[in-house]
Amino acid sequence: DTAVSQTPKYLVTQMGNDKSIKCEQNLGHDTMYWYKQDSKKFLKIMFSYNNKELIINETVPNRFSPKSPDKAHLNLHINSLELGDSAVYFCASSQDPRKQFFGPGTRLTVL
Amino acid sequence: GQQLNQSPQSMFIQEGEDVSMNCTSSSIFNTWLWYKQDPGEGPVLLIALYKAGELTSNGRLTAQFGTTRKDSFLNISASIPSDVGIYFCAGHIQGAQKLVFGQGTRLTINP
Repeated sequence: DTAVSQTPKYLVTQMGNDKSIKCEQNLGHDTMYWYKQDSKKFLKIMFSYNNKELIINETVPNRFSPKSPDKAHLNLHINSLELGDSAVYFCASSQDPRKQFFGPGTRLTVL
Repeated sequence: GQQLNQSPQSMFIQEGEDVSMNCTSSSIFNTWLWYKQDPGEGPVLLIALYKAGELTSNGRLTAQFGTTRKDSFLNISASIPSDVGIYFCAGHIQGAQKLVFGQGTRLTINP
C-alpha cells in the first residue's frame, strides 16, 4: 500500500554509465517531481510533470531525461554519469503543490 | 532566486527539552510548510500554515506563520527520541508549481 515508491533504493555504478530510476505513485495525483538531495541535505527540485506534461525543468544538465509514460509514473534516466551526480534522488507526487508526498529515495553512488 | 534561511543548521539536545527553529526569507510567501525527514526516508509534511499570524499545532509540534509573511517558526515540546531527523521549512507562492525549501535543521537527541 506504498504511496510513492522508487526503485532501486541503492545504485552504485561507474562514471560514464547510463542508469535509470523508476517512480510510481498510487495516490491518483496529477503532478510528480524529481528532487536531488546533496551531501549537505539541501533539497533541489529538478523536474515536475503534470499529467505527463513537463512543467518544471530547473536548468538540469541534459544528461538527465525524465519520462512519464502515464500520470502514475515518472522515471529518471541519467546518461554518462559523473562523480557529481552522486546524491539521493527523491520522487514526489501531489495534487496540491504545497502538500507533496515523497518516496523513500534512491541513493546513487558514482565511482 | 528565492532562498529560505533556516536556523539553526543543527541542534543537539537532551530528551525532554523543548526545541525551537525558524525560517526566514527576503520574499513574501502565501503558504509556509514544515516537513520532517527521518533518517533514510523521504520528507513528510508535518504542518501547513495558510495565513499570516496563524498558529497551528500537531501534537507536540506548534508552528507559526510570521506576521510579515517572510518567516515561520516551529517548536517541539518535550522532545523524544523519534523526533530525531531533519526539519525543512518550505514556502509557496500562490499559483506557483513548486515549493522553495530551506536548508534544513538537523535535530539530534541525547537520551
